Amino acid sequence: DQQVKQNSPSLSVQEGRISILNCDYTNSMFDYFLWYKKYPAEGPTFLISISSIKDKNEDGRFTVFLNKSAKHLSLHIVPSQPGDSAVYFCAANSGGGADGLTFGKGTHLIIQP
Amino acid sequence: DAGVIQSPRHEVTEMGQEVTLRCKPISGHDYLFWYRQTMMRGLELLIYFNNNVPIDDSGMPEDRFSAKMPNASFSTLKIQPSEPRDSAVYFCASSPWTGSGELFFGEGSRLTVL
Repeated sequence: DQQVKQNSPSLSVQEGRISILNCDYTNSMFDYFLWYKKYPAEGPTFLISISSIKDKNEDGRFTVFLNKSAKHLSLHIVPSQPGDSAVYFCAANSGGGADGLTFGKGTHLIIQP
Repeated sequence: DAGVIQSPRHEVTEMGQEVTLRCKPISGHDYLFWYRQTMMRGLELLIYFNNNVPIDDSGMPEDRFSAKMPNASFSTLKIQPSEPRDSAVYFCASSPWTGSGELFFGEGSRLTVL
């Protein structure tokens, strides 16, 4: 039973446009949500997070939106750049983060010139 | 500062052989996690330690898998005997305690079992 779902395995976006990556979850006990970025042959690296008590968090070109009633979050990248091409993982935790993160399967973002 | 260090980066072995993956966490991090990445299942948590003590190993797929953390700067994940379905990328991650649960990952060990 997958608690964190990323239903789009891949997404292609033109350079300069907005990239929107989506994530759904089923566990209402999650209290933090994180996005990780992964390049080939490297480990995932932290990108941005949001607490369940907020509905938006922004960091430069990256904004994460949380809709608790819909159990849905999204990552917006504006404007998209070639270096953004990577696999993006949505992750969530409960219990103060002490028991690890539950990850989605990832979305491969391809930025086209 | 050095990040999480994993070795080997690549391992090719034959079915039935023992495999040992190694991890050095970031100094000062109290938590260490082992994850496995496959195409079918994505990133799965196998086991995690707090202050060198295993806390939850419910993600370990079978008794063939074992993990140890003899001290704060070293952990191993062992598979004995290995099988082709164990082929995956194994990631080690460490973390200080934070409310968000942010993890710091190593570059992974790609295991291929023939």
